[in-house]
Amino acid sequence: KAGVTQTPRYLIKTRGQQVTLSCSPISGHRSVSWYQQTPGQGLQFLFEYFSETQRNKGNFPGRFSGRQFSNSRSEMNVSTLELGDSALYLCASSPLPTGTGWNIQYFGAGTRLSVL
Amino acid sequence: GNSVTQMEGPVTLSEEAFLTINCTYTATGYPSLFWYVQYPGEGLQLLLKATKADDKGSNKGFEATYRKETTSFHLEKGSVQVSDSAVYFCALRDPIQGGSEKLVFGKGTKLTVNP
Repeated sequence: KAGVTQTPRYLIKTRGQQVTLSCSPISGHRSVSWYQQTPGQGLQFLFEYFSETQRNKGNFPGRFSGRQFSNSRSEMNVSTLELGDSALYLCASSPLPTGTGWNIQYFGAGTRLSVL
Repeated sequence: GNSVTQMEGPVTLSEEAFLTINCTYTATGYPSLFWYVQYPGEGLQLLLKATKADDKGSNKGFEATYRKETTSFHLEKGSVQVSDSAVYFCALRDPIQGGSEKLVFGKGTKLTVNP
């Protein structure tokens, strides 16, 4: 069974641009969560999607958005990039929505975004 | 909200040495606890978990016991290998709005094992 696939693995953008990252969950998984990993702030929750609906969002500005498609694939978008958006963005999938009994999240390898 | 405090690294050990990485948590109630591992250039892999007090999670020679008295979940391994070199994250499940949850992570501890 294929794992969580994130594309692209690496991305270089300049300030002010926008970027879209993609996440394909494990087959059969319907929940996708996104996390940002930086040396300073560590791992922080961005948002969770289940059945094409955003269930929750972390403490990030409105420049960070996402969506989920009917096949459970998810994308996240960051507009008007800032230097501080440079990070590893990790996607995690699980069969059920978070908060549902014993439900383990499986992480992808991440997309490393560098903003110049 | 709930939080995790993890010992700062880096930790450098020789092969076959004993490993302990300390993790304590602050939480309302008794959340599920996890250790994740991140190898260079890769994402997070679940190493082990515990869902209630006194549970012991174990995997690949690593162990951690959920201690509610000391609010701790320390990671241990009796004999580390070079291949264990990675960054280790302690985490807990934190309920948020609408019945959903997020994972709250410690800052991570980088382990280097020398031959």
